[in-house]
Amino acid sequence: AQSVTQLDSQVPVFEEAPVELRCNYSSSVSVYLFWYVQYPNQGLQLLLKYLSGSTLVKGINGFEAEFNKSQTSFHLRKPSVHISDTAEYFCAVTSVGYSTLTFGKGTMLLVSP
Amino acid sequence: GAGVSQSPSNKVTEKGKDVELRCDPISGHTALYWYRQSLGQGLEFLIYFQGNSAPDKSGLPSDRFSAERTGGSVSTLTIQRTQQEDSAVYLCASSFGITNNEQFFGPGTRLTVL
Repeated sequence: AQSVTQLDSQVPVFEEAPVELRCNYSSSVSVYLFWYVQYPNQGLQLLLKYLSGSTLVKGINGFEAEFNKSQTSFHLRKPSVHISDTAEYFCAVTSVGYSTLTFGKGTMLLVSP
Repeated sequence: GAGVSQSPSNKVTEKGKDVELRCDPISGHTALYWYRQSLGQGLEFLIYFQGNSAPDKSGLPSDRFSAERTGGSVSTLTIQRTQQEDSAVYLCASSFGITNNEQFFGPGTRLTVL
């Protein structure tokens, strides 16, 4: 079985400040990890994914994430956020032998001026 | 089309009625997924189709839920005898069918059961 925990349901931050959204996973086999973003009233859009290789993954809109196998984490970071980054962010995992994604419950990023 | 489309975008129904939700995947994608997004519950996997294989129905919450995929393309999710707890956004996604491939999501259907 696989599971994902997003530790923060909501993260308020001021514009141009750095942000980290936390994600921890559990799986008994090798994993593939994803971060998706959902803007209001829209579907999910892929930000970035880790499949193998370098543990630091860069995605769209200036986001990056680091895979840490020993801590079973895949935290999402951005050095300077914009108002337009206000959205809900979902971490997801799939494993070798699984066909579907398991999502965390999401973290709402609220960027204010 | 360029992306995954779903219809209707909104559906309001009365408790006990049946509803059908439609998903048009990206052309050429062999895998199709249905998820349910409820307030405070995140995204919950419902069912997965891959090519001509038997679907993975392990996420369907009850036998009131069913889905089919005709001709390896369009899919319909049917909820019979709807209940208020079925109210949610139902999301469809498609991919090339390999586990590490990106799933492309549609905009969802917001279902409200009165």
